[in-house]
Amino acid sequence: QKEVEQNSGPLSVPEGAIASLNCTYSDRGSQSFFWYRQYSGKSPELIMFIYSNGDKEDGRFTAQLNKASQYVSLLIRDSQPSDSATYLCAVKTTDDMRFGAGTRLTVKP
Amino acid sequence: DGGITQSPKYLFRKEGQNVTLSCEQNLNHDAMYWYRQDPGQGLRLIYYSQIVNDFQKGDIAEGYSVSREKKESFPLTVTSAQKNPTAFYLCASSIVPGLDEQFFGPGTRLTVL
Repeated sequence: QKEVEQNSGPLSVPEGAIASLNCTYSDRGSQSFFWYRQYSGKSPELIMFIYSNGDKEDGRFTAQLNKASQYVSLLIRDSQPSDSATYLCAVKTTDDMRFGAGTRLTVKP
Repeated sequence: DGGITQSPKYLFRKEGQNVTLSCEQNLNHDAMYWYRQDPGQGLRLIYYSQIVNDFQKGDIAEGYSVSREKKESFPLTVTSAQKNPTAFYLCASSIVPGLDEQFFGPGTRLTVL
C-alpha cells in the first residue's frame, strides 16, 4: 500500500508566526506533490504543487520537496486566523493519487 | 462561471435505499473522480473515469456504481449493499487523465438514518 502520512495535529500557532506542515510518502516513484486546504465542512482547494526538489514559493506559502528523504512540507509565513483549516497532502504515485489524512491548523489571534 | 457542481448538498437515506449523487462539470475536463472522506481519514477513491462510457474501480468501489454517458456528468449511486455509507462524498475532475491537478466540487454529505 502506498502511504502518505501527515501529523493529524492540531497544530496551533500565534498570528504572524510561521506554520510548518509536514508530509512523508512511501512510494519512491512519486512524481508530483500537492497541498490542499480544506475548511470545515467544505471541499479541498488546491493551494500549491511542486514537482522538483527544493523550494517553491507562492505569496505567503512555500512548498519544500526532498525526494531522497521522501518528504514534502508546506510553510505558511505571517499566519492569519483565516489560514485555520485542515491541510491535505496529496502525492501522485506511480499508479494513482494518494491523499494524507490532513493536519488541522489553528492560528490564534 | 466554470466549475464543478454537486447536488444535493445534504442527503438523508433510510437503510436499504439506493441514492444517486449528482456531479456536473463545465470545465471540459476529460477525467472525473469520486472520493469518500471520513473523519480522520484521507480521501479514498471510489471510482474514476478517464473518458466517456468508460470508468474504473478505485480502492473502495464495493456498494457503489457510476455511469459516464456524457463528458460533463458523472453520477454516483450508493446502493443498499454499501454497509456504512454515511460520509462526505467529493467529486473531482482533471483536464486530462493522469494530469495531476484535480479540482473538487463542493461535496455531498450523506447520512443514513
